[in-house]
Amino acid sequence: AQSVSQHNHHVILSEAASLELGCNYSYGGTVNLFWYVQYPGQHLQLLLKYFSGDPLVKGIKGFEAEFIKSKFSFNLRKPSVQWSDTAEYFCAAHRGGADGLTFGKGTHLIIQP
Amino acid sequence: EAGVTQFPSHSVIEKGQTVTLRCDPISGHDNLYWYRRVMGKEIKFLLHFVKESKQDESGMPNNRFLAERTGGTYSTLKVQPAELEDSGVYFCASSLRGGLTDTQYFGPGTRLTVL
Repeated sequence: AQSVSQHNHHVILSEAASLELGCNYSYGGTVNLFWYVQYPGQHLQLLLKYFSGDPLVKGIKGFEAEFIKSKFSFNLRKPSVQWSDTAEYFCAAHRGGADGLTFGKGTHLIIQP
Repeated sequence: EAGVTQFPSHSVIEKGQTVTLRCDPISGHDNLYWYRRVMGKEIKFLLHFVKESKQDESGMPNNRFLAERTGGTYSTLKVQPAELEDSGVYFCASSLRGGLTDTQYFGPGTRLTVL
């Protein structure tokens, strides 16, 4: 069965630190990849998505992610985090033939001022 | 443009009772999805509607769960009778076209607590 793994469940960083959140998926066929974010008290929002083409995708709020097919990875990065980036981040995959997204367990990111 | 809305935001019921959750998708979105997150676990897909038709209900846990989308607009998810393990956050999402290249937009979720 397809799965999505997020390596870190809790990450604590100081403001201005660089961020990388790991995501690996297990499906070998056609797959589209997403990062969603849930800020405290808000609903899930799309940060960025990869369908095809340039494996380095840029999203909102300075986030980017790199699709590395050989590693089945889609890690999320941001060069300098802000306190307002405190949130829970979800990696998700959508494979061909499936209707629903498969999510990772989420990563709680806390940015200390 | 209004986003996906869900009602209620919270529901606390006792084991054995019935609860109905509602989702209003983004206007014009034919595709509607239900997901659930049980505490400590990942968000899991429950089912997918295209208009009023169920396309995939492979994620529905058991026959205590009934989803409907009469008229192809809003959807309801009924849990009857509720069990303790049904507690969690129920998310609804909608998308315009469906399919692999479409983006699903999520609602705020309904937090269900079964005592």
